[in-house]
Amino acid sequence: GIQVEQSPPDLILQEGANSTLRCNFSDSVNNLQWFHQNPWGQLINLFYIPSGTKQNGRLSATTVATERYSLLYISSSQTTDSGVYVCAVRRDSSYKLIFGSGTRLLVRP
Amino acid sequence: GAGVSQSPRYKVAKRGQDVALRCDPISGHVSLFWYQQALGQGPEFLTYFQNEAQLDKSGLPSDRFFAERPEGSVSTLKIQRTQQEDSAVYLCASSLNGFGNTIYFGEGSWLTVV
Repeated sequence: GIQVEQSPPDLILQEGANSTLRCNFSDSVNNLQWFHQNPWGQLINLFYIPSGTKQNGRLSATTVATERYSLLYISSSQTTDSGVYVCAVRRDSSYKLIFGSGTRLLVRP
Repeated sequence: GAGVSQSPRYKVAKRGQDVALRCDPISGHVSLFWYQQALGQGPEFLTYFQNEAQLDKSGLPSDRFFAERPEGSVSTLKIQRTQQEDSAVYLCASSLNGFGNTIYFGEGSWLTVV
């Protein structure tokens, strides 16, 4: 089946710093979502981005489907950005989301 | 409702006990998914409903796990004779349809089997 790999697995930042999280996937996909998983376990939608670039405030994401990767950018990080960032993909004609193991981000004040 | 709602949020079950976890999807969403997330792992697919039809149950780990969505809205995931390895967060999600739409997750039901 399709493999989803995220890097780095852990990241510690000072408040105000910028960061880039990466998601690589092993096959063509028609759906890619980035989530922020809060400490209570809920997956909060950040982006639905099977291709192209989107921005939402301090967050932006780019997916290059032909090269099978997606990037999540966090600018001017805040302590509230801490948590696990999870990438999930779905193949053509499939409804199953396949998840990466996440990047655990800690932003220090 | 505005989002996917799950209950109970937390459940402690004694080994061998049966449990039932409920999911209220976003109103009008045709597709409903159940995922299981063990500690430190990403969510793993359990089962998928399109309206009331269970189209895929390939991820259910054993015949102790059973899911239903009888009226195409609320869904229940039932685990019979719970075992310690069933301890996990059970996540419900819904989307407008099964393909090409954003999937929205509930807060999850944390199950601990003691």
